Amino acid sequence: EVQLVESGGGLVQPGGSLRLSCAVSGFSFSSYWMNWVRHVQGKGLEWVASIRYDGSEKHYVDSVKGRFTISRDNAKKSLYLEMNSLSGEDTAVYYCARDPDAYCSGGTCFFFYFDFWGQGAPVTVSS
Amino acid sequence: QSVLTQPPSVSGAPGQRVTISCTGSSSNIGAGNDVHWYQVVPGTAPKLLVYVNFNRPSGVPDRFFGSKSGTSASLAITGLQAEDEADFYCQSYDNSLNTYVFGGGTKVTVL
Repeated sequence: EVQLVESGGGLVQPGGSLRLSCAVSGFSFSSYWMNWVRHVQGKGLEWVASIRYDGSEKHYVDSVKGRFTISRDNAKKSLYLEMNSLSGEDTAVYYCARDPDAYCSGGTCFFFYFDFWGQGAPVTVSS
Repeated sequence: QSVLTQPPSVSGAPGQRVTISCTGSSSNIGAGNDVHWYQVVPGTAPKLLVYVNFNRPSGVPDRFFGSKSGTSASLAITGLQAEDEADFYCQSYDNSLNTYVFGGGTKVTVL
């Protein structure tokens, strides 16, 4: 059974930092691109960041570039999101999710959809 | 606002059919990028409902039917059931933004 379990969410003050983790089981973690997607209450889903299966390539939505860092430890089957300089606009439930078909070819990467998701880690940025 | 446009809500009586539209542009759906649909129930993990326009993952009933044409896509739910009450999101990839993009979500209410 595939399982993705996020942890590390919580309440943080504006300007603060938080590190989310996602523990994965049930599939060959080191073979897949992984992602963070957030759900902002009243605003819907937003993709945040992606990381290649070997960690060699990372992509971010513009609004988090320079503030968030996605990483992974394939030996621990874990995905991480380091979030710095947090603001109220980052308040959301953060999900880790797998893209089963993402790949890169000839210098271009192709992305598709998310087949497995975790249950989410709520992050609230407030003073 | 979201790159893909969905109606905020749709509703129907048990057993009826409802359809959720998802309108994009020439840089995403119209560029030939596939459309995927998710069901989100508050407090639970989002669930992939339809992938690559019309395919259903194992375990998803055939009451859920996806289609795509031009710059739009739609999700039809037939034989509406109380358990179908949830938020539904379409998703594609945008070649100009170079990001996954989502619709704003549609709340389905069973009357």
